[in-house]
Amino acid sequence: QKEVEQDPGPLSVPEGAIVSLNCTYSNSAFQYFMWYRQYSRKGPELLMYTYSSGNKEDGRFTAQVDKSSKYISLFIRDSQPSDSATYLCAMSEGFQKLVFGTGTRLLVSP
Amino acid sequence: EAQVTQNPRYLITVTGKKLTVTCSQNMNHEYMSWYRQDPGLGLRQIYYSMNVEVTDKGDVPEGYKVSRKEKRNFPLILESPSPNQTSLYFCASSLGLSNSYEQYFGPGTRLTVT
Repeated sequence: QKEVEQDPGPLSVPEGAIVSLNCTYSNSAFQYFMWYRQYSRKGPELLMYTYSSGNKEDGRFTAQVDKSSKYISLFIRDSQPSDSATYLCAMSEGFQKLVFGTGTRLLVSP
Repeated sequence: EAQVTQNPRYLITVTGKKLTVTCSQNMNHEYMSWYRQDPGLGLRQIYYSMNVEVTDKGDVPEGYKVSRKEKRNFPLILESPSPNQTSLYFCASSLGLSNSYEQYFGPGTRLTVT
């Protein structure tokens, strides 16, 4: 069993839809939870990070962490075609290496 | 512009021919790392470095070498490449280990070993 599980998609939605991306994990020691966005032929870039449980909002993006369920989510409101990318969740125990999910490919059609 | 650069971006080589992929960052970051990205396996760490002359193995270090003689550069060396090292490689850096959640990635190097 992988430490971090993520549905590879693709997830196809129309422009303006609310998108929900999720990851589950097995290591209860994870404390930092990140979402990276990767456009085609580019390196990943950090979108958001959360320490421990709770929600964090940044514009159209909201990250949620539920440590009791070992489940994290990224919500994208009013999705745009420019949001089409692969979204990678990543986690770490603290000052340790990141463990990445395999990524979910998102396609937002105009 | 703050960035991580990698060269080459694309490389096709043959089994056993030594190669080096260069990585350089201009942000004065202490922590640097190499990853490989494979379908269905995601990003896996190969090696990392916490500072000059300090390197350590990641999850998949077999067949790779690294060095960190200068803070800005962190080359990845494949002494005898094999087809199972065909992959997309990313170099990344962060301010320090305590900021490792925020890694800045290079554009990637697509390596094919025949």
